[in-house]
Amino acid sequence: NAGVTQTPKFRVLKTGQSMTLLCAQDMNHEYMYWYRQDPGMGLRLIHYSVGEGTTAKGEVPDGYNVSRLKKQNFLLGLESAAPSQTSVYFCASSFQTRAQYFGPGTRLTVL
Amino acid sequence: AQSVSQHNHHVILSEAASLELGCNYSYGGTVNLFWYVQYPGQHLQLLLKYFSGDPLVKGIKGFEAEFIKSKFSFNLRKPSVQWSDTAEYFCAVGAGSYQLTFGKGTKLSVIP
Repeated sequence: NAGVTQTPKFRVLKTGQSMTLLCAQDMNHEYMYWYRQDPGMGLRLIHYSVGEGTTAKGEVPDGYNVSRLKKQNFLLGLESAAPSQTSVYFCASSFQTRAQYFGPGTRLTVL
Repeated sequence: AQSVSQHNHHVILSEAASLELGCNYSYGGTVNLFWYVQYPGQHLQLLLKYFSGDPLVKGIKGFEAEFIKSKFSFNLRKPSVQWSDTAEYFCAVGAGSYQLTFGKGTKLSVIP
C-alpha cells in the first residue's frame, strides 16, 4: 500500500496564479483532510471531507477550495495565490475518528 | 473549541537522557489522544494513540505516554533518547468528532 500520496512535492507560483494539489489514499478511508503547516503554528485544518461528494470548512478555509469527487482523492485548489499561502500543505486520511495518516507534503512558495 | 498546549518549544538533551514532553488540553468530555513525530523534511508519523482503557500507552521506538484525566494531560516519555530521535513532536486531541486539534509542536534536539 502506498498510503497517502500527494502531488506535486514542490511548487512555486506567482501571486494571482492558480493551482490544484492532489491527494490520494488507498486505505479506503472515508475521512480526508487538508492542513497547512507554518513555523511555530503547528498544523491548521483548511478543509475536510467525511465522504465522497461532501466537504466542510476547517479553521483556515479562506482562499482555498476543495473537491472530493472520488472516495480516494481529495483536491485542494488555490484560485488566486497570495504570498500568505506560502506554506507546507499536508493531506491526511482516517477511518472515522481514529488516527489520521499523513502524506509527504507539498511545499508551496508564492512569490 | 478545544485547545492543546505543548509547554516546551525546544528541548535539547544529550544521548541517553530521559525525555518527557508535556501536553495539556482543554476539553471536559471524552477525548482521543495522539502523539505524532515529524523528522526533518518528512511528514507526520503516528507515534502512539489513546482511545480508552489503560492510561499508559506504549508506542513505537520505545516511546510511551500517560493519560491523566484529572490533569487533562497526555505527556510523552522515553527513558533514553538517541540522536535519531531528533525531530518535532506534536500532540493532538480529538474530542467527539473526526477533527483533530494539534499543539504547536516541540522540537527535540539530541546531542551525540
